[in-house]
Amino acid sequence: QPVLTQSSSASASLGSSVKLTCTLSSGHSSYIIAWHQQQPGKAPRYLMKLEGSGSYNKGSGVPDRFSGSSSGADRYLTISNLQSEDEADYYCETWDSNTRVFGTGTKVTVL
Amino acid sequence: EVQLVESGGGLVQPGRSLRLSCTASGFTFGDYAMSWVRQAPGKGLEWVGFIRSKAYGGTTEYAASVKGRFTISRDDSKSIAYLQMNSLKTEDTAVYYCTRDQLTFAGYSSSWVTDYWGQGTLVTVSS
Repeated sequence: QPVLTQSSSASASLGSSVKLTCTLSSGHSSYIIAWHQQQPGKAPRYLMKLEGSGSYNKGSGVPDRFSGSSSGADRYLTISNLQSEDEADYYCETWDSNTRVFGTGTKVTVL
Repeated sequence: EVQLVESGGGLVQPGRSLRLSCTASGFTFGDYAMSWVRQAPGKGLEWVGFIRSKAYGGTTEYAASVKGRFTISRDDSKSIAYLQMNSLKTEDTAVYYCTRDQLTFAGYSSSWVTDYWGQGTLVTVSS
């Protein structure tokens, strides 16, 4: 089954942009993934599904500041015009061989 | 508006059982697969298991860590998904989330994707 690799942390200044990476393990570079956001003390929230082509589809109410892109086995989540409420953990997930897999999450800090 | 509300969590002794419920509203429950995902204190997300809709056979899948101990079922007439947890261990302590899943396609690829989460219910396994 695939392994999803995420950096443990990222930081950026208020109003700037941050790009998070989720890397699929070898042999799984075409997989569809989803990004989820978990603000402190809250349940996760679905942000978008992202294909290997770079095409993405966002969930209801997700701000335009959130976008997705892909390159090979890498799946990216870009947050533009960073706001204080974007400080959260971000998880990617995928599905293979009847198993769902989550990445370890990236903690985003807004400076 | 899609809503998923978990209930049934609480404090339980090791070796005992507990059943969680996930009551859904705002969509046609029977058309969707449902999953349970858990999060131990201070840790990341861990998939527990999944049940397909009747259109896809209504079959279930489980993580290795819970297979044989946990059972997922659904009652489409009541829009409820259940997680029956038996032989509980201290390491099962976590917030348990119910999620809605849909099958998505891209070229020759397909994947079940979680698109809604419940608010979670805390299960504490301790003597």
